[in-house]
Formats: sequence, structure tokens, C-alpha cells
Amino acid sequence: EEQLVESGGGLIQPGGSLRLSCAASGFVVNNKYMSWVRQAPGKGLEWVSIIYSGGSTYYADSVKARFTISRDNSKNTVYLQMNTLSAEDTAVYYCASAGTFGVFDYWGQGTLVTVSS
Amino acid sequence: DIQMTQSPSSLSASIGDRVTITCRASQNISSYLSWYQQKPGKAPNLLIDVAFGLQSGVPSRFSGSGSGTDFTLTISSLQPEDFATYYCQQSHSIPLTFGPGTKVDIK
Repeated sequence: EEQLVESGGGLIQPGGSLRLSCAASGFVVNNKYMSWVRQAPGKGLEWVSIIYSGGSTYYADSVKARFTISRDNSKNTVYLQMNTLSAEDTAVYYCASAGTFGVFDYWGQGTLVTVSS
Repeated sequence: DIQMTQSPSSLSASIGDRVTITCRASQNISSYLSWYQQKPGKAPNLLIDVAFGLQSGVPSRFSGSGSGTDFTLTISSLQPEDFATYYCQQSHSIPLTFGPGTKVDIK
């Protein structure tokens, strides 16, 4: 069974950095489209970033140049490096996989990132 | 960017009711549209990919239709476990975008 487990969230001060991890089991991450989707408290879903099986990466404008998605095939894990964090980045961050581009058929449980002084 | 809208933003319904949620894209997205269900404190769950149909394990009371810019999610007979928030999402192009959600609660 496919499973995704996120980690790395927590309380961080504005301007700080954080790296989220998404450990996959039951499938190989470099065979699927892997994304991060976030949800601010009480708000809707916002797509953040995607890494293709071929390695191409794309970002939402709101995080471009601040966030970096990457993948470690040996650990079957996807990462989201988040820099220059602000209060607007406070959210639950979900890792999601897609066998078909953009159709997220598996999700992790989410990890909460709180940006506050 | 493709903007997604949903209507209504919320609705109250009774067990057994037929419920219809509408999603509209700001431009033609063909059939690149998915529907997700999210319950409080939980991750979203894929219900339907309009192009490929109902996800495995999703009850047949859920159905999705549409193409181009207008799409519909229908629950034929609302069950207690269906009270949740529903999101549409386009996968036609980057950036991937979600609708604002429709909250379905108990009348």
C-alpha cells in the first residue's frame, strides 16, 4: 500500500528556514509526480510545488525563489526547503503523489508549519 | 493562471438528499478536473478524476461530469459520512489550482 509520511514542521520565526520531508513507502517516488500542497488555518487548499519523474520542478508564484523541492531516490523521500518564511506561510503542508499528472491519489497526514515570533 | 470557482460555498442537506456542487474554470481545461473530499483534521481524499472516473473504493453514489469550463459533482443520496468539504482542482496546467471548496453540513 502506498503511504506518505511528512515530518519537519514546527514553530519558526519570520525570516527563518525549515526543511520538510516526505518519506514514501509502497512505491518509488521517482516514478510519480510528487507535490506539496498547503492549507492555511481555516482556509482552502493551495498547490505549492511539484517535481516530475524526470526531475523538472515548478512552483506557485507565492513561493517561487524561496522554496525548493527535491528528491532523494536512495531514501525514497521528497523534500521541501523553505526559506525566508513569513506569517503567510503558516499552514499544514501535505505531501501528495500523482500517477497521472496533477491527480493526487495519495496524501500524507500533513505537517504543521507555524511562522511566528 | 486558471481560476477555479465553486458554488455554492456551503450547503445544508439531509440524509438521503441529492446534492450537486458546481465547479467552473476560467478557461477551457478539457476533462482535466478532479474532485476531493476533506474531513476536518484530515488530508484530502481523491474521489473522482473526470477523465478516468471514480477512484477505487469510492461509493457509486458519487459521480462527476462536465468538460471545458463547467463541471458537476453529484452525490445521489447523501450519507452521514459525506458531510465534509469538497474541492475541485484542475490539472490542465501549472500552476495547479483548487476551487475554494464547498462545505456540506447537516440540515
